[in-house]
Amino acid sequence: GAVVSQHPSWVICKSGTSVKIECRSLDFQATTMFWYRQFPKQSLMLMATSNEGSKATYEQGVEKDKFLINHASLTLSTLTVTSAHPEDSSFYICSASIMGTEAFFGQGTRLTVV
Amino acid sequence: AQSVSQHNHHVILSEAASLELGCNYSYGGTVNLFWYVQYPGQHLQLLLKYFSGDPLVKGIKGFEAEFIKSKFSFNLRKPSVQWSDTAEYFCAVHGSGNTGKLIFGQGTTLQVKP
Repeated sequence: GAVVSQHPSWVICKSGTSVKIECRSLDFQATTMFWYRQFPKQSLMLMATSNEGSKATYEQGVEKDKFLINHASLTLSTLTVTSAHPEDSSFYICSASIMGTEAFFGQGTRLTVV
Repeated sequence: AQSVSQHNHHVILSEAASLELGCNYSYGGTVNLFWYVQYPGQHLQLLLKYFSGDPLVKGIKGFEAEFIKSKFSFNLRKPSVQWSDTAEYFCAVHGSGNTGKLIFGQGTTLQVKP
């Protein structure tokens, strides 16, 4: 199947700093990528839809100024958590789909804000 | 609003026992349905999917699921589980023609005792 790679797999940062997470589709072009957040023992919650060459579409309740999404190319989307705080600590997962069918997921990024 | 509900949050079975995990969805239109599995420390993997056709879908590792439109259900089954099936299982849905944005159920933790 298609491969989606996320980097880094885990990151620890100080409160108030910003962290960038990359999501790459390695063997296909993804005009649309998705960013999810997963709290411990809970399901994945969609944060935003990342569209290549245009602004991301955020789900209700997600702060777009805090979670900056850039989809500069057909194979790369980035999520930047700005001015991170401990409550932002979570598991962030991206996905990309081919022609709106099956979604392929990255391995996720565990963010810990101290 | 679109939603997915998984009835079982934590299931414990012995090896060789049969498995059925419930999934119901709420969506006003034609849907595509998925079951994903997340093994400990790994990323989400697709078990099976339903887009159209035969409502009984067979996936990897001996899993199958049945789409019952009248019940808005897509239950996952396996006749005989193995210890290696210990994982988190997620049911998900997106609308037909959607770009791949998924709505996930809460997840079910399956623990198989050897």
